[in-house]
Order: sequence, then structure tokens, then C-alpha cells
Amino acid sequence: GQNIDQPTEMTATEGAIVQINCTYQTSGFNGLFWYQQHAGEAPTFLSYNVLDGLEEKGRFSSFLSRSKGYSYLLLKELQMKDSASYLCAVNYGQNFVFGPGTRLSVLP
Amino acid sequence: NAGVTQTPKFRILKIGQSMTLQCAQDMNHNYMYWYRQDPGMGLKLIYYSVGAGITDKGEVPNGYNVSRSTTEDFPLRLELAAPSQTSVYFCASSYDRGDKINLQETQYFGPGTRLLVL
Repeated sequence: GQNIDQPTEMTATEGAIVQINCTYQTSGFNGLFWYQQHAGEAPTFLSYNVLDGLEEKGRFSSFLSRSKGYSYLLLKELQMKDSASYLCAVNYGQNFVFGPGTRLSVLP
Repeated sequence: NAGVTQTPKFRILKIGQSMTLQCAQDMNHNYMYWYRQDPGMGLKLIYYSVGAGITDKGEVPNGYNVSRSTTEDFPLRLELAAPSQTSVYFCASSYDRGDKINLQETQYFGPGTRLLVL
């Protein structure tokens, strides 16, 4: 199957670092993507991984381990505006399969 | 560029009515998608298209139809609306890099259409 799991909710403090995990039970995919979605808005692209390892983009980094079947999104120096849902998605050619999303609340 | 546009933003339908959700993109992307998102849930793929004249079913296609007569437009048709189709519908497009594994760049999403079926 293509089960993709993420924690439902997370809470963190402004200025802190948070890691959002994404586990999957699949193989043979092309890439793993991370999206941010603020309430009532469309998802927007954050990062993606094709190869194992860490991809860094400013305050956001994403990591992929195909052998262990997981990815994580790392958010540093959290800001209040980072309160949103974070979706991981696996890309198979023409198709994207999304996880359920993790709702992150950043507290002052 | 306007990116991905969707109309309408919000619509209320009665059970059994029909409607078409419009989606257009001006980025010359060959891949386009329709998703639905139920409250507190992730995105479920309804249909997708890899180019004009080519469409294929996603995970939840029942009750929907699509067409792709041009690169720019990808309308989604609901023929007999049911309460289970109450959801937020997102259209997206992406660019095929043209390599062997069809790895795509990111998807760009439209602002969404909120549909309520009563």
C-alpha cells in the first residue's frame, strides 16, 4: 500500500526548533515533497527530496531515508506565522499521494 | 502570471444538481490535478491529466468527470451532487522535467473552491 502517516498535531514555542515526521509504507517513488497549508488557504511548496539526506532551504530543512521509510521536516527559529498544517506527499510519476497532515501550533 | 486560478470560490448545491468547477493555469504546465480535502484531512486525488486529451482516475473518482481539451484548462464536473461531495476542491498543476522517471517539480495549487451540498 501507500500508507503515509504523520502526527496529527504538534505544539512548539516561538524561537524553538520542531521536527515533523512522515513515515510511509511504499517504495519505488520518485521524490518526497513537503507543503505548508495555512487554514483556509491552498498548500504551498516548501521542500522536496529525491536522494537520501538533508535538503536545506533557509529556516526549513527536509530529510529523507528511503531504507528506513521516513522523512522529516525541520523548522528552525519558529515564528508565529509558522502555525499551519504541514503535508508530506510522495510522488510516483504522474501521481502524488498525500499524508493526512500535521497541524503545528506555535505559542508565544 | 496568474498561476492557477479556480472559479467559483464558494458554491452551495442542492442534492442532485450539477456543476462544473473551473481551473486554468498559465504556466504552460502539462500536468494538472484535482484534489478534494475534507475537514482536518489530507488531500485525496480525484483525477489527473498529463496533457491535453489525456486524463486518468485518481484515488476517489466516483461522482466526478473531467476533460482536458487545452493545456490551460482542466474543468471538473459533478453530475449528481451528493452530501458526501461537500468538501474543498483544489486544482493543481506541475511541470514534467522530461527525464526518464517523470520526476516532477513542485505542484502549484489554486486557491480552492468550497462546495456545500445540502
